[in-house]
Amino acid sequence: DAGVIQSPRHEVTEMGQEVTLRCKPISGHDYLFWYRQTMMRGLELLIYFNNNVPIDDSGMPEDRFSAKMPNASFSTLKIQPSEPRDSAVYFCASRTSGETDTQYFGPGTRLTVL
Amino acid sequence: RKEVEQDPGPFNVPEGATVAFNCTYSNSASQSFFWYRQDCRKEPKLLMSVYSSGNEDGRFTAQLNRASQYISLLIRDSKLSDSATYLCVPRNSGNTPLVFGKGTRLSVIA
Repeated sequence: DAGVIQSPRHEVTEMGQEVTLRCKPISGHDYLFWYRQTMMRGLELLIYFNNNVPIDDSGMPEDRFSAKMPNASFSTLKIQPSEPRDSAVYFCASRTSGETDTQYFGPGTRLTVL
Repeated sequence: RKEVEQDPGPFNVPEGATVAFNCTYSNSASQSFFWYRQDCRKEPKLLMSVYSSGNEDGRFTAQLNRASQYISLLIRDSKLSDSATYLCVPRNSGNTPLVFGKGTRLSVIA
């Protein structure tokens, strides 16, 4: 199994630009999570999906952030317009429902907004 | 109040030492937990699950103390490769997401 795949691995952009982060969950996993990690705030949950449907987006910091999951094998997190305080590592994770509920993380996207 | 509280460290220990971290939790209904490990600039990875009976995996032992509401992780014979941040995470009922704290940073020194 390839694990959770994220792209790009690194993104450097200028303030005001649109940023799109991508995630491919593990095949067969029906839950997908987007987290953001910074030194100050640690690992924060932004939004999560079940069977491609957003369940809880209360962690999304502002309207500048949006996430979609058009199918079971792909999700995007978009920031428009980006700001320097959005600089962080963004992780995607997936898992199956039921007893075996371990979350598996992707390698993350390191975003720097100048 | 945070779900879990951990000493952020860093814990600096020599190779071969035994080190233990505690994690206190606020939800008395929590039945089990995960310990995740996160290496510098990498993603968190599951280290072990912790149930009421505790868990042991090689040099790693995890215990759950319900009366005092804490979970411990003991690492024996520390290796340089054990240097990482260790995150204690409540395993929630249902299918709710895992909520992570900032973890405890361990640095094993030669």
